[in-house]
Amino acid sequence: NAGVTQTPKFQVLKTGQSMTLQCAQDMNHNSMYWYRQDPGMGLRLIYYSASEGTTDKGEVPNGYNVSRLNKREFSLRLESAAPSQTSVYFCASTRASFNFGAEQYFGPGTRLTVT
Amino acid sequence: DAKTTQPPSMDCAEGRAANLPCNHSTISGNEYVYWYRQIHSQGPQYIIHGLKNNETNEMASLIITEDRKSSTLILPHATLRDTAVYYCIVRVVRAGNMLTFGGGTRLMVKP
Repeated sequence: NAGVTQTPKFQVLKTGQSMTLQCAQDMNHNSMYWYRQDPGMGLRLIYYSASEGTTDKGEVPNGYNVSRLNKREFSLRLESAAPSQTSVYFCASTRASFNFGAEQYFGPGTRLTVT
Repeated sequence: DAKTTQPPSMDCAEGRAANLPCNHSTISGNEYVYWYRQIHSQGPQYIIHGLKNNETNEMASLIITEDRKSSTLILPHATLRDTAVYYCIVRVVRAGNMLTFGGGTRLMVKP
């Protein structure tokens, strides 16, 4: 049981380049999330998917797109990278069980630098 | 979601109990108290959560006051690997289940 996996672990992009961050979970969770964390700051939600087939914007969606490919996979795409998107990106998932609360499980992160 | 207040940093001796406080005086009746931690450069890790009653799991205990306006996370025998930033989050369980991480408490466990 690998939990939440993310690829790549590190990436350097030039301004204007595009890339897709991949996330997968093997816990049969319904909801998945993408966060970014800037140095010395807390996490900010970019997009989330409450269930397969749905996606919604979070706090900071501009410059990003997402795809919930199936129940396991949730990808984040930067169409035209900007230096302001230099950050650590975390994917998370949760059962979203309303009876027992909904603890989120996080991946190891992708460290992205845009020059 | 209710706002939380945590001390910015705390020290604890290895092997001793670490008691991390959190104030959430504006908490409403359907809001849960969650604790996460983030060890340097890693993804956040869920620790424990509760609504009214005290909770215990293999990692920690959560003590919630009777009026629910504050809580304490207890790590019973802190180790060096428990050095991390600990986040107290108060939130309603709803669709999307977004987490908002504030400043947290930086716990330093010292030998």
